[in-house]
Amino acid sequence: GAVVSQHPSRVICKSGTSVKIECRSLDFQATTMFWYRQFPKKSLMLMATSNEGSKATYEQGVEKDKFLINHASLTLSTLTVTSAHPEDSSFYICSAMEQPNEKLFFGSGTQLSVL
Amino acid sequence: DQQVKQNSPSLSVQEGRISILNCDYTNSMFDYFLWYKKYPAEGPTFLISISSIKDKNEDGRFTVFLNKSAKHLSLHIVPSQPGDSAVYFCAASASGNTPLVFGKGTRLSVIA
Repeated sequence: GAVVSQHPSRVICKSGTSVKIECRSLDFQATTMFWYRQFPKKSLMLMATSNEGSKATYEQGVEKDKFLINHASLTLSTLTVTSAHPEDSSFYICSAMEQPNEKLFFGSGTQLSVL
Repeated sequence: DQQVKQNSPSLSVQEGRISILNCDYTNSMFDYFLWYKKYPAEGPTFLISISSIKDKNEDGRFTVFLNKSAKHLSLHIVPSQPGDSAVYFCAASASGNTPLVFGKGTRLSVIA
């Protein structure tokens, strides 16, 4: 089946640094990828929709200057958490949409801890 | 306002019995529904889906039922196995390239 690779799986960083998370669709091209954030005991919260070759669409309340998304190719989207703070600590998950069946495949997630 | 609701945060079932996970939605535009299974510290994995033109979809031990008039769907797992212990997310979308809306999940524990 389709595979989505997300890297790194875990990152610990100091407050004020930036962290980049990569999401790759390994055996299919994805014009659309999604980035989610999961808080403990809560649902997956959609942060933004990433479209290849165009600007990402951010959900209400998500700071686009804080969470930079780049979807430069049909197989790669990146999320950069800029000037990270402890409140940014969370589990971030990406998903890629396979066409034409519009099935979503998820990456394995990235646990971000900001000290 | 939550458009997809999973009102039971947890469920405990004995091995071999049926597990029934429920999901309600409020948006009548939703026409495609999915169930995802999630283990701790991993991304969700797709389990089974159903479109609004059907009322039942079966895949092995997993069956999803859709009641459009009640805006309700359920996932049946039978027989339940210890390896089914995970958090199950219900998700819905409207036609086209729209993102999924997830419920809060139900933690299923299958006891041997």
